[in-house]
Amino acid sequence: AQRVTQPEKLLSVFKGAPVELKCNYSYSGSPELFWYVQYSRQRLQLLLRHISRESIKGFTADLNKGETSFHLKKPFAQEEDSAMYYCALRGAALIFGTGTRLQVFP
Amino acid sequence: EAGVVQSPRYKIIEKKQPVAFWCNPISGHNTLYWYRQNLGQGPELLIRYENEEAVDDSQLPKDRFSAERLKGVDSTLKIQPAELGDSAVYLCASSFSGTGLTEAFFGQGTRLTVV
Repeated sequence: AQRVTQPEKLLSVFKGAPVELKCNYSYSGSPELFWYVQYSRQRLQLLLRHISRESIKGFTADLNKGETSFHLKKPFAQEEDSAMYYCALRGAALIFGTGTRLQVFP
Repeated sequence: EAGVVQSPRYKIIEKKQPVAFWCNPISGHNTLYWYRQNLGQGPELLIRYENEEAVDDSQLPKDRFSAERLKGVDSTLKIQPAELGDSAVYLCASSFSGTGLTEAFFGQGTRLTVV
């Protein structure tokens, strides 16, 4: 069975602080993993995917198959990063975690 | 390009009434998803289409929910009759399931309120 777990509902940091949003997954095969973001009053959109190994808006995420994790990181948070972040896994279907709200205070 | 288009954006109905949502995916996308998102939760998959075939509808409450994707393009999701617990945002997404990048693009969603 596929499962995505995001243990934190809310993460609050001050501007300039490092951020790590946790994501753990369960899947028996080779998954594709994604981070989606939803800014206020906007649609859900892709932030990054593990196969691209890219940095988007300063965010990176590394797939750790041993720990079945795909944590999202940014060394210096900005106020405009405040949003809902969803970790997603594509196995047979695309499924999502429950999301983490990131609040970045000035 | 408009992206994935959903209508209506908002719908308020009384319980026991029927309701339908419409989705127009991105041109060329063969995979279409319907999700339900309750307040404070992540999107929950209801049904996935590959072209016109529903390949995963295990999470669709079939006693009251139905969906169709005629000609493998537009799709409709229907609830009949609606219950108070159906109040949520219904999201449609599409992707191209081939080789290469397979990200899903989302519509703005339809916010359903059942009173």
